[in-house]
Amino acid sequence: QSVLTQPPSTSGTPGQKVTISCSGSSSNIGSNYVYWYQQLPGTAPKVLIYRNNQRPSGVPDRFSGSKSGTSASLAISGVRSEDEADYYCAAWDDRLSGPVFGGGTSLTVL
Amino acid sequence: QLQLQESGPGLAKPWETLSLTCTVSGGSISGSSYYWGWLRQPPGKGLEWIGSIYYTGSTYYNPSLKGRVSISVDTSKNQFFLKLSSVTAADTGIFYCASLHWGSLFDPWGQGTLVTVSS
Repeated sequence: QSVLTQPPSTSGTPGQKVTISCSGSSSNIGSNYVYWYQQLPGTAPKVLIYRNNQRPSGVPDRFSGSKSGTSASLAISGVRSEDEADYYCAAWDDRLSGPVFGGGTSLTVL
Repeated sequence: QLQLQESGPGLAKPWETLSLTCTVSGGSISGSSYYWGWLRQPPGKGLEWIGSIYYTGSTYYNPSLKGRVSISVDTSKNQFFLKLSSVTAADTGIFYCASLHWGSLFDPWGQGTLVTVSS
């Protein structure tokens, strides 16, 4: 059971906007930054969004992050077939004194 | 740029200690304000943070694994290490090392190494 809650799966057609939610509590998302990771099949995760809504250089601007209260979202505008991957949210948890992850959301591009 | 590489046995016996090494290249393990972390991913499941270390040796661990996990560093070799004791089949998975910033930003990651716990 993960500390942060994500839907196990989602899907979209090419060009569609897809949103992945991440729900937490006051001890993690509610008081700390949220990070998003993309894990392509058979590879290590890589950071997609840091500090709620910042994109590292090289990450396409169709990826965006937002946070409100104890929840966060990752949006992919104009999803592409190469975006088919697992997506994880993460945040520091003050109660556990460590980073916690969501269970991951598997994105299928139909 | 910074690169990390995990190494160690791919097989561990039940109730023994799993030992892994992470070698850092492209930068000094003691030359920055980064922490260094270990994470794992059971087959077909999500990510779990195991613990983290600063180059001074200061550590913090996932409470769910505390008592079984030990992380250490050798700055002269630009390496840090993971030991996980009393392993069971539930500890089978891919183990990653990563550079850690701001508590929850793991970047970059090593490619990962699969460890199977089996007799």
